[in-house]
Amino acid sequence: EDQVTQSPEALRLQEGESSSLNCSYTVSGLRGLFWYRQDPGKGPEFLFTLYSAGEEKEKERLKATLTKKESFLHITAPKPEDSATYLCAVTPMRGNTPLVFGKGTRLSVIA
Amino acid sequence: DGGITQSPKYLFRKEGQNVTLSCEQNLNHDAMYWYRQDPGQGLRLIYYSQIVNDFQKGDIAEGYSVSREKKESFPLTVTSAQKNPTAFYLCASSRPQSRGASGNTIYFGEGSWLTVV
Repeated sequence: EDQVTQSPEALRLQEGESSSLNCSYTVSGLRGLFWYRQDPGKGPEFLFTLYSAGEEKEKERLKATLTKKESFLHITAPKPEDSATYLCAVTPMRGNTPLVFGKGTRLSVIA
Repeated sequence: DGGITQSPKYLFRKEGQNVTLSCEQNLNHDAMYWYRQDPGQGLRLIYYSQIVNDFQKGDIAEGYSVSREKKESFPLTVTSAQKNPTAFYLCASSRPQSRGASGNTIYFGEGSWLTVV
């Protein structure tokens, strides 16, 4: 069964304190791994797609990396506006299978 | 602007009632999805549709029904058979996966809150 596990469940950082969020996955052939940001009461906002081990993508203070078993979302010098829940999802290679989501990491950045 | 529109934003259901959540997209996407999100939980797939007039059950389809009569629209009905319907419902869409690896990014609407009263 395809599974996605995110850690930690919650993370509290001081403004400027860099850290990483983890997404471990078990899937029968990875077609793609996705990162989303979700603000309270809103729909998830797409951030990145990663397709192969070794791939990296950056957007402002965020950088996503991918290995064969996990992905990291690195947050460099975060600001309070980066506070949100970050969701990881995978889509397996087989057929037309929708995304499988992890439960998310709730990030709070304190000024 | 292109996007996914869900309505209503807030909906209250009485016991024994069926209610329908609307989802419309103008992204020209073939695939559409419904997810349910409970507090502190991840997104769970209710139903999805890869093409007009066809849809498949997701992980938690019991107590829900859908239709896909038009490419742009994928309404979700929460029936009285769904015993615990209070949740945040998210509609999403994507190009089908057969159109290449970049084609399956899912984009979400703003969500609808359903509460049982």
